[in-house]
Amino acid sequence: AQSVTQPDIHITVSEGASLELRCNYSYGATPYLFWYVQSPGQGLQLLLKYFSGDTLVQGIKGFEAEFKRSQSSFNLRKPSVHWSDAAEYFCAVGAVGNTPLVFGKGTRLSVIA
Amino acid sequence: EAQVTQNPRYLITVTGKKLTVTCSQNMNHEYMSWYRQDPGLGLRQIYYSMNVEVTDKGDVPEGYKVSRKEKRNFPLILESPSPNQTSLYFCASRSRGGGNEQFFGPGTRLTVL
Repeated sequence: AQSVTQPDIHITVSEGASLELRCNYSYGATPYLFWYVQSPGQGLQLLLKYFSGDTLVQGIKGFEAEFKRSQSSFNLRKPSVHWSDAAEYFCAVGAVGNTPLVFGKGTRLSVIA
Repeated sequence: EAQVTQNPRYLITVTGKKLTVTCSQNMNHEYMSWYRQDPGLGLRQIYYSMNVEVTDKGDVPEGYKVSRKEKRNFPLILESPSPNQTSLYFCASRSRGGGNEQFFGPGTRLTVL
């Protein structure tokens, strides 16, 4: 069975600074990987996903993520954070077939002026 | 507009009073699921359904029931709610296949007194 670890519970960055949120997964084959964002009081919205091919994937809102098989990681990055990026971010891993997505426990991002 | 809807969005009830949270999707998705979100615990899957009349337990099914009589609807039933079921609940759907995007509803904030 697959699993996901998000090592950082809470991260604070300054507006305009770069951001990297960590995600490590465990799965025996090539996984499907997702990043979702949850703004305060909202549901979850898909930022980006990786299935195969280019290991650097681009998403919405200027986010990107890089799949590194050797490190079992799928870290989310943004070069310059905006105050509106303050939210909770979830990494998720899926497997072939109809097995459920497995989510990490989330990383809460705070943005300071 | 493609969406997952949940009702009610907010509910305060008392211990033991049966309640149902409805979930409906208009994307003809086969796969639907229910999650609860609690601080520090992330998203935990309660039940999921791979198609009409096919349901299965997730990680935390105790105290919950579901049914899938129609493809578009997947209600969550709490027969005898207890205070430890106070949580934020999300319904989600996706089409068949592990790599497909999962769409989330806006959430239902439930408080059981």
